[in-house]
Amino acid sequence: AQKVTQAQTEISVVEKEDVTLDCVYETRDTTYYLFWYKQPPSGELVFLIRRNSFDEQNEISGRYSWNFQKSTSSFNFTITASQVVDSAVYFCALSETSYNFNKFYFGSGTKLNVKP
Amino acid sequence: EPEVTQTPSHQVTQMGQEVILRCVPISNHLYFYWYRQILGQKVEFLVSFYNNEISEKSEIFDDQFSVERPDGSNFTLKIRSTKLEDSAMYFCASSVKQENYGYTFGSGTRLTVV
Repeated sequence: AQKVTQAQTEISVVEKEDVTLDCVYETRDTTYYLFWYKQPPSGELVFLIRRNSFDEQNEISGRYSWNFQKSTSSFNFTITASQVVDSAVYFCALSETSYNFNKFYFGSGTKLNVKP
Repeated sequence: EPEVTQTPSHQVTQMGQEVILRCVPISNHLYFYWYRQILGQKVEFLVSFYNNEISEKSEIFDDQFSVERPDGSNFTLKIRSTKLEDSAMYFCASSVKQENYGYTFGSGTRLTVV
């Protein structure tokens, strides 16, 4: 079974549209961390956010916001007023207590295409 | 901001050859990792390393793979006899301590086996 599921393989939007990337995770641990990374065409992994399981407060950082809901095991990522530079593959990841949080499980990624 | 440095950024090797991928973790970090990403797929954990020994490895990390911290700064991944299916992006990462504090990925080495 997948520990992190990103059901949206690819999304295309027009610049200035809002877009939400879905992430659903599965864990038996009560303490865990969730992450989002951006992977531009150049290939590196760019860290966006780290959230622990006890902090369900939603977070906003500029045009980015994250909605963490333990009840549905989801950690969704919204980009407001998307820009062409947001085009990339976005990965959600999970780390768990049972591996001392040091092993990341990544989802399969969502490729976001933002068209001008 | 401190970085994890990986060299080379791209390596091409012939099938059956040995290859060593190099990483310089952040200087005060104690935990080191390798991940692999086959083109178009997700990033997968290979191995974690702490106190000069492997602390966890995935089923992907078979006898073809080995890791080493040969000195105080480098952390290497060796693939003994490369196969075509080893072609992938390899990411090194490091963290300060447990609970993934300061977990930082390098920019990756793209390995192409021909």
